[in-house]
Amino acid sequence: GQQVMQIPQYQHVQEGEDFTTYCNSSTTLSNIQWYKQRPGGHPVFLIQLVKSGEVKKQKRLTFQFGEAKKNSSLHITATQTTDVGTYFCAGRSSNTGKLIFGQGTTLQVKP
Amino acid sequence: GAGVSQSPSNKVTEKGKDVELRCDPISGHTALYWYRQRLGQGLEFLIYFQGNSAPDKSGLPSDRFSAERTGESVSTLTIQRTQQEDSAVYLCASSLRGGRVDYEQYFGPGTRLTVT
Repeated sequence: GQQVMQIPQYQHVQEGEDFTTYCNSSTTLSNIQWYKQRPGGHPVFLIQLVKSGEVKKQKRLTFQFGEAKKNSSLHITATQTTDVGTYFCAGRSSNTGKLIFGQGTTLQVKP
Repeated sequence: GAGVSQSPSNKVTEKGKDVELRCDPISGHTALYWYRQRLGQGLEFLIYFQGNSAPDKSGLPSDRFSAERTGESVSTLTIQRTQQEDSAVYLCASSLRGGRVDYEQYFGPGTRLTVT
């Protein structure tokens, strides 16, 4: 069946270092959403990408949607301790219409 | 305004008992989703409601799981004859509309279910 894979599963960085998580789908996506879940909290919507090759920025966060609309990335510049949490992508399949969440990338930031 | 609320926040039950979990979506949100999240794992889609109909029930893991929704408001997820593998946090989310055009989902705080 269709899968949305996220890598890496875990990432430990020193505060100030950059961080990137990648989301890859086996099929074309009509859109992709990103969510952040703080430890002990619930997922909170960050952004949605719809267009092929789209790039959106939110302060230190940069989101990209691949040209083939099968992959996406989230890049954080100069991480801070407030960035700690698990980042999930969720892709809507162009074929089946189903929304599938990736397994998440958990980010730890050492002060 | 008020966000998505879920009750109870924690539920401990004995194996074999039935449990009912409740979700109150944001007023005006026609789409409602249920997810399961096991400890340290990602989100597992269970069911999606558009209004009070469920066009996608594909994620329900077994016939012990069922869900209903009254109009465009409260939804309940029922798990019959609970098993230890059902232990997880059950998250509810709502969005303005559903279907193939996505709107951001607003998540509730979840219900932590522990089956002993």
